[in-house]
Amino acid sequence: DTAVSQTPKYLVTQMGNDKSIKCEQNLGHDTMYWYKQDSKKFLKIMFSYNNKELIINETVPNRFSPKSPDKAHLNLHINSLELGDSAVYFCASSVLGGGRTEAFFGQGTRLTVV
Amino acid sequence: ELKVEQNPLFLSMQEGKNYTIYCNYSTTSDRLYWYRQDPGKSLESLFVLLSNGAVKQEGRLMASLDTKARLSTLHITAAVHDLSATYFCAVDIEGAQKLVFGQGTRLTINP
Repeated sequence: DTAVSQTPKYLVTQMGNDKSIKCEQNLGHDTMYWYKQDSKKFLKIMFSYNNKELIINETVPNRFSPKSPDKAHLNLHINSLELGDSAVYFCASSVLGGGRTEAFFGQGTRLTVV
Repeated sequence: ELKVEQNPLFLSMQEGKNYTIYCNYSTTSDRLYWYRQDPGKSLESLFVLLSNGAVKQEGRLMASLDTKARLSTLHITAAVHDLSATYFCAVDIEGAQKLVFGQGTRLTINP
């Protein structure tokens, strides 16, 4: 009965490959996000979608392409993977409005590029 | 650009002691969140602070928000080993539609 679920949990791949991470939320939230957590644990937003529309793209390389088929899903596709893409990627969702954007996070996908 | 800074970044303390983690932010906001992250795990929401002077308590943790000083504190009372984790504060600005996180405070509580 997971609220925000991501797959896969671990992803090991070679440089140059293309990979996807899937995210689904069953909270009925309007907004979904991708955050990247680097090796120093620093969390930075990558993308924000509201009702399937891109709201935020935080200067992420265009090798990263999010896709939201509906407001419950936000997938992340990464082309031509580089060593520096190794990180933990978190999907999150929140309700917009009401003066709060408390985000609920998925379990994370640990991406290792070798 | 909104900046969020936590200190200390690392904190090692003994069980039974009290300590405070500080979160400063650079732009006016009255919405601040505290999260906990255990190693290899997701982020768990601890506190949501939505107004100046807000104080929330859960067990041995108490969070407060002073929007005029742009400061939030997370106070730990009589620490126990189970509280060992990384704690993040996060701030959002109305209309920004994103959370900006502090660097995290890695808390280790020794028996």
